Amino acid sequence: DTEVTQTPKHLVMGMTNKKSLKCEQHMGHRAMYWYKQKAKKPPELMFVYSYEKLSINESVPSRFSPECPNSSLLNLHLHALQPEDSALYLCASSQDRTSGYYNEQFFGPGTRLTVL
Amino acid sequence: TQLLEQSPQFLSIQEGENLTVYCNSSSVFSSLQWYRQEPGEGPVLLVTVVTGGEVKKLKRLTFQFGDARKDSSLHITAAQPGDTGLYLCAGECLDNFNKFYFGSGTKLNVKP
Repeated sequence: DTEVTQTPKHLVMGMTNKKSLKCEQHMGHRAMYWYKQKAKKPPELMFVYSYEKLSINESVPSRFSPECPNSSLLNLHLHALQPEDSALYLCASSQDRTSGYYNEQFFGPGTRLTVL
Repeated sequence: TQLLEQSPQFLSIQEGENLTVYCNSSSVFSSLQWYRQEPGEGPVLLVTVVTGGEVKKLKRLTFQFGDARKDSSLHITAAQPGDTGLYLCAGECLDNFNKFYFGSGTKLNVKP
């Protein structure tokens, strides 16, 4: 099973709303990632969790708040977003390279976020 | 400046033609992945190459990893309309655990 699931598929929110994106994997992977992708561009890394600890934060604004409750789950809490935050948000997971020889990421289907 | 330079950015070809997409870098990668992505969906992993000089085949797709593990190519033989999509390469540098660098992508359109 190489599946990463994400919910919701689509999300429309106002600039004053608080919402959360959810991601789940059951591959036993210990690294999980959030990416933001604009149309016709490659994914941009936002956050990396390694063994449930935040290991990389790519200077993401504080209106995005990640959380890793356990090794299978990853959340992204959204608050006071701007219209320019509208994008496809992708979750990915991989074996943590500290535990193996090489790494490969598996992506979820994404959440299409629209901020009004 | 991107760590992984991917070319070409766009390709529009007729069904049956062959094509090659390149990813190049001055950095050494522990592994390199190729993905295909449809609009509004997540990237789907096609292959991971790990060993310098490695060649992997997936039906009509052939992937190569450079001897020095700094570059890779994807060759498609007899392209079909179903091959249409955005192709992305991504690699994890030797000295940067769990941080993947993406190429800018190649938008392929195969016309019937």
